[in-house]
Amino acid sequence: QSALTQPRSVSGSPGQSVTISCTGTSSDVGSYNYVSWYQQHPGKAPKLIIYDVSKRPSGVPDRFSGSKSGNTASLTISGLQAEDEADYSCCSYAGSPYVFGTGTKVTVL
Amino acid sequence: QVQLVQSGAEVKKPGASVKVSCKASGYSFTNYYVHWVRQAPGQGLECMGVINPGGDTNYAQNFQGRVTMTRDTSTTTVYMELGSLKSEDTAVYYCAREGVGAYNFDSWGQGTLVVVSS
Repeated sequence: QSALTQPRSVSGSPGQSVTISCTGTSSDVGSYNYVSWYQQHPGKAPKLIIYDVSKRPSGVPDRFSGSKSGNTASLTISGLQAEDEADYSCCSYAGSPYVFGTGTKVTVL
Repeated sequence: QVQLVQSGAEVKKPGASVKVSCKASGYSFTNYYVHWVRQAPGQGLECMGVINPGGDTNYAQNFQGRVTMTRDTSTTTVYMELGSLKSEDTAVYYCAREGVGAYNFDSWGQGTLVVVSS
């Protein structure tokens, strides 16, 4: 299984929206609605912020949203805030084991 | 509350083995899968394998023959042992919980740094 492809970095000013893409294949992202997204601050463990493509766990702000089209999933952060500066990784079920994305650093300008 | 607490950092020589523990608390241990995920410095997350509620394991192809995952239900602890260590195995190793039928990792350990150096 090859890693899912994400942009290395994206940036935006406070209040703006940014979107992170996550491109896989018909064997992973394209076949299952089991894409999840994780936020990771430096030196910390990942935190689940989106699951099943577009669902948010309790406590995750609604400025985080997810979607999927074909073999590409996307995470959008609306109304960017300083605390959103972190690394973001997508993950897709592909049978077992799961496959993660290459990771994207979000910078708040 | 749900907690996964991992063992401390390790420094190993090439060719050696390392065993990392992950103690679970705050939930029904035998109702969840536990995955091991690693992250090399500056790199992305990589799945190593999983141990299911029944104790069966499934390892990623990259680690077949080198990794062993076990669990002790009496202490609600999961273990990951990686052998034949190489410098490229230097990474932070995480355990992560997956609910049956959930298809996501909703709780993570704090991570264990393993450094492989001669």
